[in-house]
Amino acid sequence: DTGVSQNPRHKITKRGQNVTFRCDPISEHNRLYWYRQTLGQGPEFLTYFQNEAQLEKSRLLSDRFSAERPKGSFSTLEIQRTEQGDSAMYLCASSFDRGLKIPSPLHFGNGTRLTVT
Amino acid sequence: AQSVAQPEDQVNVAEGNPLTVKCTYSVSGNPYLFWYVQYPNRGLQFLLKYITGDNLVKGSYGFEAEFNKSQTSFHLKKPSALVSDSALYFCAVRRDTNAGKSTFGDGTTLTVKP
Repeated sequence: DTGVSQNPRHKITKRGQNVTFRCDPISEHNRLYWYRQTLGQGPEFLTYFQNEAQLEKSRLLSDRFSAERPKGSFSTLEIQRTEQGDSAMYLCASSFDRGLKIPSPLHFGNGTRLTVT
Repeated sequence: AQSVAQPEDQVNVAEGNPLTVKCTYSVSGNPYLFWYVQYPNRGLQFLLKYITGDNLVKGSYGFEAEFNKSQTSFHLKKPSALVSDSALYFCAVRRDTNAGKSTFGDGTTLTVKP
């Protein structure tokens, strides 16, 4: 168990550019989540996958955001035409849920800090 | 809809004293409740969870939490605080279904002074 890995750790980009982040979950975990966190706020849910299927996406998420999890392993989060308001810490988490009403806790990565200038 | 409120941005306690970090929640149906801790420059780490059963749940590092359904609360407690407990604490709620989404509070900064 090497934990959840996120790359890059930091990303600075200019407004209007596209960025992509990668998350490698714990290998046996079937669920993968993306959250966004800004200073003084708790993690805000963006989307989650069970295996390769994207099961829920936040209604607050603009169409500029897209996430994929091909083959149910790693995931990528892309932000197109970045805006200054996108500056935040983007967190990835994974869990192994058996779907038997026994919720598993989330295992978080260290996040990718995005700064849009 | 589901939500979490952590009414205190900051809690200060002296080492050796008991500590309480408050959390109230709102969710349709029965809740699953979690506490996570975030140390500086580290990812969030799971502390403990409530699913069903005993209202007092025990977790890592000597922490425990008390579920109170009538008050919709899930306060984090520890009988004797350590300086090393100083960190940012988050409460989270999930519906008791197969749904995966957890909703987090805005966090409480705990400072334990020697």
